[in-house]
Amino acid sequence: RKEVEQDPGPFNVPEGATVAFNCTYSNSASQSFFWYRQDCRKEPKLLMSVYSSGNEDGRFTAQLNRASQYISLLIRDSKLSDSATYLCVVNDRGGGNKLTFGTGTQLKVEL
Amino acid sequence: DGGITQSPKYLFRKEGQNVTLSCEQNLNHDAMYWYRQDPGQGLRLIYYSQIVNDFQKGDIAEGYSVSREKKESFPLTVTSAQKNPTAFYLCASRTGGGSNQPQHFGDGTRLSIL
Repeated sequence: RKEVEQDPGPFNVPEGATVAFNCTYSNSASQSFFWYRQDCRKEPKLLMSVYSSGNEDGRFTAQLNRASQYISLLIRDSKLSDSATYLCVVNDRGGGNKLTFGTGTQLKVEL
Repeated sequence: DGGITQSPKYLFRKEGQNVTLSCEQNLNHDAMYWYRQDPGQGLRLIYYSQIVNDFQKGDIAEGYSVSREKKESFPLTVTSAQKNPTAFYLCASRTGGGSNQPQHFGDGTRLSIL
């Protein structure tokens, strides 16, 4: 079983749609969680951290379910510019604050 | 501008040659990391350093070496022992503190074999 698992997609959605991604992680002792966005052939960029109580940043909402060991990202009113790969990232390995990356979910927003 | 600078952006290597990828940050971050990314795979950790003059192996350190002589700099050498070096290499850094501090990335180096 992969440490961090995501549906690779692609998710093809029309502009204005609401889309949700889930991610599961295997280590119940995982401490911190993040969503990164990666455009084609570019570096990953932090989209948002994920807090236990859930958090929102504009059109983006992240939630954490520790009991079921999954993280979600909800994008409302999707824009063409949201097209990218979304990486689920977990800090689960104590010393060194090393991160484990999912392989990403590809989103394509279309007219 | 504050940030993480990787160079070169593209690098070509001949068989049997060592090459060094540069990573410099002016964010005053304590920790620095090197990853490689292959198509269809997540980022994999090569080496990391939490403090000057100290570094640890990541998951795929074989065929690579690093140094951390200065806080700002964490160069990665891809040696001839690395049999499949073609990949996208990403350097990251983070400030100290708790595990909730994210890593921030440079814009990467694409390494190809001639």
